[in-house]
Amino acid sequence: AQKVTQAQTEISVVEKEDVTLDCVYETRDTTYYLFWYKQPPSGELVFLIRRNSFDEQNEISGRYSWNFQKSTSSFNFTITASQVVDSAVYFCALSERSFKAAGNKLTFGGGTRVLVKP
Amino acid sequence: DAMVIQNPRYQVTQFGKPVTLSCSQTLNHNVMYWYQQKSSQAPKLLFHYYDKDFNNEADTPDNFQSRRPNTSFCFLDIRSPGLGDAAMYLCATSIRDPGQFYSNQPQHFGDGTRLSIL
Repeated sequence: AQKVTQAQTEISVVEKEDVTLDCVYETRDTTYYLFWYKQPPSGELVFLIRRNSFDEQNEISGRYSWNFQKSTSSFNFTITASQVVDSAVYFCALSERSFKAAGNKLTFGGGTRVLVKP
Repeated sequence: DAMVIQNPRYQVTQFGKPVTLSCSQTLNHNVMYWYQQKSSQAPKLLFHYYDKDFNNEADTPDNFQSRRPNTSFCFLDIRSPGLGDAAMYLCATSIRDPGQFYSNQPQHFGDGTRLSIL
């Protein structure tokens, strides 16, 4: 069975500090996709990034960066120079290849709540 | 802007009184999902549609039903809400390319409907 673990339930930082969110996953699939979503207090889940299992290049998008390491089954997310608007719950998710369905079944981690204080 | 719209934003119903939540999309995506998210938990998939093909999760209670009359709309019906059904309900969409066995594209979420049971 697939599993995603986000060991940090809550992280509190002061504005401009960097924060790294850990994500460790388990899967038997050789082809899989990993995602990060942000859920601000308003409730909607905002897609941040998708990474397939064959692409281990790190990615940077503005203040966000992602470190995918297949050898340790980790897909960590770093926010550089955090801002108050970064306060949200962040979910890491793994796509599950279901042979019964055509949709993309996501296995979510438990989420990490990030609180950025001014 | 293309988007996923959920109505209403907040819904209050009485114990045992049927309630319907709605979701519409302008993305023209062929897959639509319904999730239940309880406080401080990850979203839990209830079911999804690929076009008109309905896919129910094994642990989704019979109390929850869904309808997708056309590509743009999807409804979640709760036949007899109990206190344990109070939650945020999230609708999401994704695209499955014809040549792919399943959708690995990102899911796009609506703002959610927060359901309260009196």
